[in-house]
This record gives sequence, structure tokens and C-alpha cells, in this order.
Amino acid sequence: DTAVSQTPKYLVTQMGNDKSIKCEQNLGHDTMYWYKQDSKKFLKIMFSYNNKELIINETVPNRFSPKSPDKAHLNLHINSLELGDSAVYFCASSQVYGETQYFGPGTRLLVL
Amino acid sequence: KQEVTQIPAALSVPEGENLVLNCSFTDSAIYNLQWFRQDPGKGLTSLLLIQSSQREQTSGRLNASLDKSSGRSTLYIAASQPGDSATYLCAVDYGGATNKLIFGTGTLLAVQP
Repeated sequence: DTAVSQTPKYLVTQMGNDKSIKCEQNLGHDTMYWYKQDSKKFLKIMFSYNNKELIINETVPNRFSPKSPDKAHLNLHINSLELGDSAVYFCASSQVYGETQYFGPGTRLLVL
Repeated sequence: KQEVTQIPAALSVPEGENLVLNCSFTDSAIYNLQWFRQDPGKGLTSLLLIQSSQREQTSGRLNASLDKSSGRSTLYIAASQPGDSATYLCAVDYGGATNKLIFGTGTLLAVQP
């Protein structure tokens, strides 16, 4: 029973390409998040959605666009990929704000 | 600026030892604090969540404490095992309209058999 799943697990692509990462949670949670973990393992929030509504957009370039088709899904689309976008991207969800966040396994993005 | 720091950055202990991981935060007006575990190449697993009104939480061999006035939290692991080897992250939630977790830098723990 996977609680928070992400696809793909690994993504290798060329600079300038556009790619998407998908996230799905089967926990019935209202809130979903995207985090970025850089090469130094530091985790930082990118976006959060509550009931399909964008709540947080943390100084993320507008090349990154989250899309939430329904409460169970929060996808991340990245345009014009750059070398600095190489990182691990984690999706997470929580029942409501302020409760335990459950993380997906991560998507390892490498931009060449 | 809201920052979260963890000390030490890395820790190696022999199996069976009790150990303490430290987390400090600059803004004491927190909503809650969470401790996570991250295994290499894996996602994060939530270990404990302490609400701002609580002083500690326990789960099995783990005990997390919170002292808001001093801006500190500790994660105590009793009778460590090689399976406890992982990176431990603390994250502070400041609540409000833009609920988000601010993560610490992590402590890489190695428990030697």
C-alpha cells in the first residue's frame, strides 16, 4: 500500500528540455507539497497546495509550474531545464496544515 | 530569518549506546516540530511530531523533547542499533496562513555493530 508515490523515480535529461514529475497520494489528505533537496542534502519547500489551491510559492522560478487536477494529485512541470535544477524532488502530503507530513520516495533529476 | 540548525553534522557510535541529536531554531514562535529519518536514496519517514504546547513525545526507543524558550529540541535514541543508521532531520512548522516546514541541516548517524 503506497501512501505517497512519485513517478518517475529517476529522470535524466538535457538542458533546455521540458519535463514533468507526477505525485499521487492515497491517504485522503487535503494538503500536498513539493520540496527540493539539493546536492548538499538541504531540503526546502517549493510549493504547497490545499484542496487544489496554491498556498505557498517559495521564490521558485516560474519555469516550475505545479498542477493539481484533484486533491490526490500534485504534478510538477519544469520548463527549459537548467543544470542547477539537478536535485531530488520530494512530494509530501498531510491531512491538514500543521499535521504530520508523509513523503514520497523522491525523484532524482539529473540535467546534463 | 527563520533558521534551523542541527548538531552534530555526523555521529558514529557503537551499537547499544544511548545518544542525543540536537536541533536549534532561531524563532521560538513555532507551531510544531517534527523529526524525520532519511535512509540513503530514500524518502523521509516521520518519527515524531511535537506540538508547541508539548514538552516531549515518545515512540519506542525514541524520545523527542522541545524547549521553545531556548529554541531547542533533542532526539534521544536509546540502545542504538545498526538499523538506526540514517540521516535524522528536524523540521520546524511556524504555522500561520503559509504552513511550511523549515528543515535543519541533518545529522548523519552511523551505529557500528
